[in-house]
Amino acid sequence: AQSVSQHNHHVILSEAASLELGCNYSYGGTVNLFWYVQYPGQHLQLLLKYFSGDPLVKGIKGFEAEFIKSKFSFNLRKPSVQWSDTAEYFCAVIASGGSYIPTFGRGTSLIVHP
Amino acid sequence: GAVVSQHPSWVICKSGTSVKIECRSLDFQATTMFWYRQFPKQSLMLMATSNEGSKATYEQGVEKDKFLINHASLTLSTLTVTSAHPEDSSFYICSARTGNTEAFFGQGTRLTVV
Repeated sequence: AQSVSQHNHHVILSEAASLELGCNYSYGGTVNLFWYVQYPGQHLQLLLKYFSGDPLVKGIKGFEAEFIKSKFSFNLRKPSVQWSDTAEYFCAVIASGGSYIPTFGRGTSLIVHP
Repeated sequence: GAVVSQHPSWVICKSGTSVKIECRSLDFQATTMFWYRQFPKQSLMLMATSNEGSKATYEQGVEKDKFLINHASLTLSTLTVTSAHPEDSSFYICSARTGNTEAFFGQGTRLTVV
């Protein structure tokens, strides 16, 4: 079964700092990859997804992620964070050819100081 | 994206009573719905997967007699926590998808058992 590892559990940044959140997965086959965000008191929202094609994926609100197959990674980046980016970020994987059930990482809590 | 509505958003119940949580896909037909449980500062843990018209598939360690799942139509799934105890207090999230596409999430239900 696939698993997802998010290395940074808590990240604190100042506004305008750059962000990179790590996500690694364990599965040898084809995967679909997602990043979700959960703002305080709100539901999960999709930031971006990768199914195939260009490994550099651009999502909403200035976020992007790069799929590096050789490293089994799908790190999330944003060049300049804002206070409103304070939220929980979850990486998720769906392994193709299986049950297509999303598996989530533990999540990363991001706090951005104004 | 598609909208998934979860109701109620929060509920407080007495120990020993049962609570029903509804999950509706508002603008698409959900062939598959997932129920997750999220503990504070932790990831989403999959409880069960349900396909319309068939019995739910529960993850290991999840008591199917305690967490009753019904997926009676393509737009509605319910989770009933029977004989709730304080340790059942948690954040429950449903997710719905059609086919092998991305899953869309409800806003979650905060259950507190007193």
